[in-house]
Amino acid sequence: DAGITQSPRYKITETGRQVTLMCHQTWSHSYMFWYRQDLGHGLRLIYYSAAADITDKGEVPDGYVVSRSKTENFPLTLESATRSQTSVYFCASSESGPGQGHTGELFFGEGSRLTVL
Amino acid sequence: SQKIEQNSEALNIQEGKTATLTCNYTNYSPAYLQWYRQDPGRGPVFLLLIRENEKEKRKERLKVTFDTTLKQSLFHITASQPADSATYLCALDLAMDTGRRALTFGSGTRLQVQP
Repeated sequence: DAGITQSPRYKITETGRQVTLMCHQTWSHSYMFWYRQDLGHGLRLIYYSAAADITDKGEVPDGYVVSRSKTENFPLTLESATRSQTSVYFCASSESGPGQGHTGELFFGEGSRLTVL
Repeated sequence: SQKIEQNSEALNIQEGKTATLTCNYTNYSPAYLQWYRQDPGRGPVFLLLIRENEKEKRKERLKVTFDTTLKQSLFHITASQPADSATYLCALDLAMDTGRRALTFGSGTRLQVQP
């Protein structure tokens, strides 16, 4: 199906384990983003990417690793999960920035709910 | 450091009234600002874009203003309906490098429209 999909939708893991959250989009959008959402903090930017092989740190990158070897995929890895990383993670993509005829809107996935015990 | 502030308290209004939500930012001069709607358990959905050279933008019952002097955007929903109940978020691009996009969100304001 076309769109942006995240997997898994729900994940329970233990402290110290490595976890990878997958994000796949079928539009060939250049820009992709990872956010985490916690009560009281809203959406916080973890990493963002302008194109394949270009990634940048956002507000809260510590403890996370990303890669973007292909335009359509943007996996997020927690190398050694901690309880503070329990959250809902959203991936998003965007075709371009706001330009001629473009709003630069972000399209979000349905989220991945991660619990670290 | 850059900061984006939205009213953390929920806004409760009666159906048919106008809801006004505020987004303030500091230490930055964004080229544009976006508003999104988020329903419980779902990802945010884009609503409107306003650029720095635009004072106001409208879309159906939605109106957004952008005051770069005050560093503030106001989001209005006229003739509000219970279906408008959701959390509304503003977002700014805080990337320093052109070609990069660091869309950063405020914490959102929850709107509750009472029938």
